[in-house]
Amino acid sequence: DAGVIQSPRHEVTEMGQEVTLRCKPISGHDYLFWYRQTMMRGLELLIYFNNNVPIDDSGMPEDRFSAKMPNASFSTLKIQPSEPRDSAVYFCASSSYPGQGGQETQYFGPGTRLLVL
Amino acid sequence: QKEVEQDPGPLSVPEGAIVSLNCTYSNSAFQYFMWYRQYSRKGPELLMYTYSSGNKEDGRFTAQVDKSSKYISLFIRDSQPSDSATYLCAMSPSGGYNKLIFGAGTRLAVHP
Repeated sequence: DAGVIQSPRHEVTEMGQEVTLRCKPISGHDYLFWYRQTMMRGLELLIYFNNNVPIDDSGMPEDRFSAKMPNASFSTLKIQPSEPRDSAVYFCASSSYPGQGGQETQYFGPGTRLLVL
Repeated sequence: QKEVEQDPGPLSVPEGAIVSLNCTYSNSAFQYFMWYRQYSRKGPELLMYTYSSGNKEDGRFTAQVDKSSKYISLFIRDSQPSDSATYLCAMSPSGGYNKLIFGAGTRLAVHP
């Protein structure tokens, strides 16, 4: 399996521009997560989906952020308009339900490094 | 106060040393405890997980959980330069899926 695929790997944009990050989860996984990692705040969960349905978006910083999962093999995270403080590494991860008593393992993609000037 | 506290380091040790990485937490509901390893410019990958208190060993790695002290540790024996990475602890209140709470990560450098 190719693992979780993210694109682009790097993105440099100017303040005010729209940014779209893309993720292809591992086939067969029914959970998908979007995280943001910065030096100051560490790894933060932004939103997660189960079977393409958003379950918890309490980590989404503000209305400028939105995420969609139109089907089981694709998800997007959009920032509009972008601001310099959005500069971070954004990770997508996926997992499958382990069954009762088990603990799910999240598999992370390589991340997208976003720099907003 | 953060739910999970982890010293960011950096920690620099010579090859062959025993490394001890630690996290403390405040939420007594946490039951599952994980250690992720993150190489530079890569995504985190699960290294080990333990349930409740006790020890778990996997090769050169040992994970310990002390729920009474709300303290978890990861020990690396005979450390190698290839162990150089950031180690993040993570925890959740129960099995199945629950939101993982990550520590800030400790950067480890093992020099030859």
